[in-house]
Formats: sequence, structure tokens, C-alpha cells
Amino acid sequence: DAMVIQNPRYQVTQFGKPVTLSCSQTLNHNVMYWYQQKSSQAPKLLFHYYDKDFNNEADTPDNFQSRRPNTSFCFLDIRSPGLGDAAMYLCATSSGGTSGGPVLNEQFFGPGTRLTVL
Amino acid sequence: GDSVTQMEGPVTLSEEAFLTINCTYTATGYPSLFWYVQYPGEGLQLLLKATKADDKGSNKGFEATYRKETTSFHLEKGSVQVSDSAVYFCALTGSRGGSNYKLTFGKGTLLTVNP
Repeated sequence: DAMVIQNPRYQVTQFGKPVTLSCSQTLNHNVMYWYQQKSSQAPKLLFHYYDKDFNNEADTPDNFQSRRPNTSFCFLDIRSPGLGDAAMYLCATSSGGTSGGPVLNEQFFGPGTRLTVL
Repeated sequence: GDSVTQMEGPVTLSEEAFLTINCTYTATGYPSLFWYVQYPGEGLQLLLKATKADDKGSNKGFEATYRKETTSFHLEKGSVQVSDSAVYFCALTGSRGGSNYKLTFGKGTLLTVNP
């Protein structure tokens, strides 16, 4: 089945130690998103790629970066994790219309990576 | 900007009870509306959607109707099961023809169904 895969499901890192979370998709969707979700809250969009174009949310800290080497893969890099970055990180994808056109379809989410910062 | 307001939880019901989770929205134009469900420790799954006024989305016994006149998209199920226990998020994306395709979420409603 086509799907969104996130690895690992659980990640433990130390305060200040860089960490990378991975997302891959077999849906061939051109838009990929990264969300941060803290306990009992709605997901918060960090950034997304529309094809190769990176779109950062205005309130996303500089500590968070992303890479998308190809259509299928997208990475979330946290350069210096703090205790406040402990959360569930969700990857999602959606399909767009023609380049630059609106994306009308729903987003498909991966199972998430739960990040613990010690 | 766009916003979604949904019924605050937690909601606790007995098995086979009727469920309603209210959701209202503020948006320009004609947004698409969604209900997502999140089971403990999992990502979000699309439960149902509606893309234009008067559309009814349905799945797994859940239903919601896109009411433009009341800007609402209430989630209903006639008989809940223990396995329906989860967090439910109402969400929207921007109107067709616009550039706002990002999801705007409500705060989520925790549903617990007891046997």
C-alpha cells in the first residue's frame, strides 16, 4: 500500500546533540510537510516543500531545518535540541495541481517520530 | 485569517451512545473541510472530508455535513464503540483557487468510550 513512513518511531537524543528525523513516501506526492505536536495540542506546521521549493513558517525557530533530496524523502534536522523540543514530529504529504497551483487534496500523515531530549 | 473552533473535551461516553463533536470555522471563500482522528501514539488519519457546501462526508459510521450557512462541520456517529476512543481534529484548507493549501486545525477533542 502507498504510504508515508517515518523512521525511527522513537528517538532519544541529548540536549544540544544534533538529530535528524526521516520521512519517506510512496505516494509520489509533490508536497511534503513537517509538523511538531506537543502533548494534548494540535499539530503545528514547521515548514513544507512544494516540489523543491522550501517554505518556512514565520515562527519556526532557526534550530529547525529541512532537506528534501528527492521526491520521496524529506528530513528534519534539529541542530541543537533543547528540552522544549521534545515532541511528536509528524510528516505529511499531499498532491498539488500544476506547479504553483493550489493543493486541493487532503494530507496523508505518517505515524510520527516521538523525540525525547535528555 | 482562517480559524477552526471545535468543542472542547474531554468527551466521555458509554458504548452505543450517540456522538456529536461540534466544529465551526471562519474562512474566506469556499474551504475544504476535514475530520482527522489520532489514536494514542499514532499519526493523524483522515476520517472524512467535504469540499463544497452541503456535501456529506462519511466513513466508518461517522458523518459530517458541510453547512456554509452556519459555517459548521459537526461530526456525528449514531453508536460509538470502545475502539473509537481517540482525539478528533476538525481542519480546513483554503478555498479553491487560492494559494492557502495548508491545514488549519482545531484544538482537538479527546473522546473516551467506556464499555
